[in-house]
Amino acid sequence: QSVLTQPPSVSAAPGQKVTISCSGSSSNIGNNYVSWYQQFPGTAPQLLIYENNKRPSGIPDRFSGSKFDTSATLGITGLQSGDEAVYYCGTWDSRLGAWTFGGGTKLSVL
Amino acid sequence: QVQLVQSGSELKKPGDSVKVSCKASGYSFSNYAINWVRQAPGQGLEWLGRINTNTGNPRYGQGFTGRLVFSLDTSVTTAYLQISSLKAEDTAVYYCAREASYGSGMDVWGKGTTVTVSS
Repeated sequence: QSVLTQPPSVSAAPGQKVTISCSGSSSNIGNNYVSWYQQFPGTAPQLLIYENNKRPSGIPDRFSGSKFDTSATLGITGLQSGDEAVYYCGTWDSRLGAWTFGGGTKLSVL
Repeated sequence: QVQLVQSGSELKKPGDSVKVSCKASGYSFSNYAINWVRQAPGQGLEWLGRINTNTGNPRYGQGFTGRLVFSLDTSVTTAYLQISSLKAEDTAVYYCAREASYGSGMDVWGKGTTVTVSS
């Protein structure tokens, strides 16, 4: 069972907005940066958001990240069929002394 | 361009050992730690640990100490993951990923190395 909790799946129609939550504790999200990763089947994860809300170059501004207290949220606007993937949150856990990932959320664009 | 190139797929028997390589190019190797992450079939991401490419100091995830060894060959900008006493449950795709500092995010990933453990 993951230290970080994500919903197993979310769905929305093309063009709409969706949010994916990631819930943790003071030892991880509460005191460390959160990053988000997108993974398509059979491929490696790709960094979407780092340090809570920063986008690497090449990541469109349709993707955004936020953090409040011990939770983080990934937002995706203007949904496209190409956004269908599994999304993971991740952060350092100071108590465990380890990186920890959420269980992943499968996004379906209906 | 910045990339991490991993070694090819491995088929091993229970009890065997395996060594996976991760060659970095396009950036200053010592400026980024290398993390190792695995993904069992149909499962999520599991952090195995990381190695500081400046000092060579490894940090292993819980439950893995003793069976995992991280190493470096800085002359060829390559990191290695060695797993001993393989079990069927170690069947997974193993990824290396670089990170600038603790918790900053893994911004470049290798394509993954599939390790299959089967008798």
